[in-house]
Amino acid sequence: SAVISQKPSRDICQRGTSLTIQCQVDSQVTMMFWYRQQPGQSLTLIATANQGSEATYESGFVIDKFPISRPNLTFSTLTVSNMSPEDSSIYLCSVGKEVIYGYTFGSGTRLTVV
Amino acid sequence: KQEVTQIPAALSVPEGENLVLNCSFTDSAIYNLQWFRQDPGKGLTSLLLIQSSQREQTSGRLNASLDKSSGRSTLYIAASQPGDSATYLCAFGSGNTGKLIFGQGTTLQVKP
Repeated sequence: SAVISQKPSRDICQRGTSLTIQCQVDSQVTMMFWYRQQPGQSLTLIATANQGSEATYESGFVIDKFPISRPNLTFSTLTVSNMSPEDSSIYLCSVGKEVIYGYTFGSGTRLTVV
Repeated sequence: KQEVTQIPAALSVPEGENLVLNCSFTDSAIYNLQWFRQDPGKGLTSLLLIQSSQREQTSGRLNASLDKSSGRSTLYIAASQPGDSATYLCAFGSGNTGKLIFGQGTTLQVKP
């Protein structure tokens, strides 16, 4: 399965600022996803990162708040914009060929907004 | 609405016990079911992947079963160890959307 490098592993940020999270994969993958895990909660899908085009966002998530780039088949970024304490969560990227093969997750970015 | 329910939400057992974690899902159009382990503040590690045509998968002390007709999966952990302490998440791969649908997880504590 693919090996994912997700950076940063954690950060403490001031409210009103933005943070960009990187997801680098060691091989080309078809599918890339970004998830949020709020404290004590399960994973919520933010969006599917599409190579060379705009990401597909889930209900409740918008591009202005969570802009996503995917310039190629091995790399994607998620930006959390204009952060507030409510954005404090673990953010995870996930990759795979397609759902039938299962998906692999990165080590996560633990974000605290103060 | 597609839903996944995991029971129990939390479990505490003494070291050496065999235990079963339960996962139920409402969507019959699943491709597969994946069990993950998550340590506090960390990412997810895939433990087992069961395709919809399979009944079970085994890896070491772990055995996962899938009953698609009843919408249930179980994760069996044999001879539990303190290092097994973590949150265990199940997720099914949706045949309709190609996405993973997650349960809330079971937090396991194995006491020495």
